[in-house]
Amino acid sequence: DTGVSQNPRHKITKRGQNVTFRCDPISEHNRLYWYRQTLGQGPEFLTYFQNEAQLEKSRLLSDRFSAERPKGSFSTLEIQRTEQGDSAMYLCASSSRYGLNTEAFFGQGTRLTVV
Amino acid sequence: GQQLNQSPQSMFIQEGEDVSMNCTSSSIFNTWLWYKQDPGEGPVLLIALYKAGELTSNGRLTAQFGITRKDSFLNISASIPSDVGIYFCAGQLTGNQFYFGTGTSLTVIP
Repeated sequence: DTGVSQNPRHKITKRGQNVTFRCDPISEHNRLYWYRQTLGQGPEFLTYFQNEAQLEKSRLLSDRFSAERPKGSFSTLEIQRTEQGDSAMYLCASSSRYGLNTEAFFGQGTRLTVV
Repeated sequence: GQQLNQSPQSMFIQEGEDVSMNCTSSSIFNTWLWYKQDPGEGPVLLIALYKAGELTSNGRLTAQFGITRKDSFLNISASIPSDVGIYFCAGQLTGNQFYFGTGTSLTVIP
């Protein structure tokens, strides 16, 4: 088990460009979460999948953001027409509901800088 | 969204001292998790709590699920330099999203 993997680790993009991040969860974890974290703050929820179904979205997820988990395995988060305010660390976590155990494990994150 | 407040916001302690931090919420949770985050890295899970009143240890770390289900506490005994980092609490109610606290920054002075 290699843990949650996120790619790329760092991304610098020009304002107005589209970017896509990938998250590979821990194998057999059926739940996958995307969070955004800005400097000095705790992670803020963006969206969550159970298998391939996107069950919950935050109002932080504007229409420029879209997330997919097509086969219930890896997930992608796309940001269209990036803005400087999108600069942040994007974190992915996965968990597997097994009894009461809902521990969520995070990847190393993708640091996005919009210039 | 839910607001989780952590205190203190930051701590500067001598190596070997014990550390206590807490997390309070305006709402009840069924699960409390504690994470440690180093700069530029993702949060690393330290302890998970599932029952009100539960006390769980992981090495030098001990965490408690408050009986009101609105708070949780994390203690670190005999701190060492590698304990430096930001500690986050996270609460979950319905099995969906986790709500994170504002973080406690810990500095250990050798």
